[in-house]
Amino acid sequence: DGGITQSPKYLFRKEGQNVTLSCEQNLNHDAMYWYRQDPGQGLRLIYYSQIVNDFQKGDIAEGYSVSREKKESFPLTVTSAQKNPTAFYLCASSYRDPNYGYTFGSGTRLTVV
Amino acid sequence: QKEVEQNSGPLSVPEGAIASLNCTYSDRGSQSFFWYRQYSGKSPELIMFIYSNGDKEDGRFTAQLNKASQYVSLLIRDSQPSDSATYLCAVNSGGSNYKLTFGKGTLLTVNP
Repeated sequence: DGGITQSPKYLFRKEGQNVTLSCEQNLNHDAMYWYRQDPGQGLRLIYYSQIVNDFQKGDIAEGYSVSREKKESFPLTVTSAQKNPTAFYLCASSYRDPNYGYTFGSGTRLTVV
Repeated sequence: QKEVEQNSGPLSVPEGAIASLNCTYSDRGSQSFFWYRQYSGKSPELIMFIYSNGDKEDGRFTAQLNKASQYVSLLIRDSQPSDSATYLCAVNSGGSNYKLTFGKGTLLTVNP
């Protein structure tokens, strides 16, 4: 079955640590996206990529980094520069023109301990 | 700045009633429109999309689009407690900006 897989489901980060969230899709989608969702809030775009080896900053890119070395994979690193990283992180993918909408992964819940 | 506006709710309806969720958007050139359902603690799932003016029905769900008035709505007939969730409206403005713009969502509660 085609889909989009995020791992881990839960992640705990100590102060000052970098952590990497995984996102893999086998839908042959060109574009991939990372969103952050805080309680009671909408989706805020962190980074997106429309083709391999290219990505753009979204609305809240500070303290985050990404790579897109393969079409199937779009990992997100939450760096120590992100001062308030506790949130629900959602990865999505779509065809390059998202006229069919996005498919979302199941999310990673990141908590700072 | 392209914007998508939704009432945050909560919208509370009794079981069996029609729930009506509304969304307005600012970009008159928007081409496609989506409704996602998000249960608490889960990821959004696509339930409806619409491209043309008028109504589109799928089971108990009807999406309505009025491009002249720049609004899109979602009707849920015979609402069930399992429909209780946050509903996100998303808009594709087309052109070279290949991204959806999401509203903040409306929380729907269906009371048994």
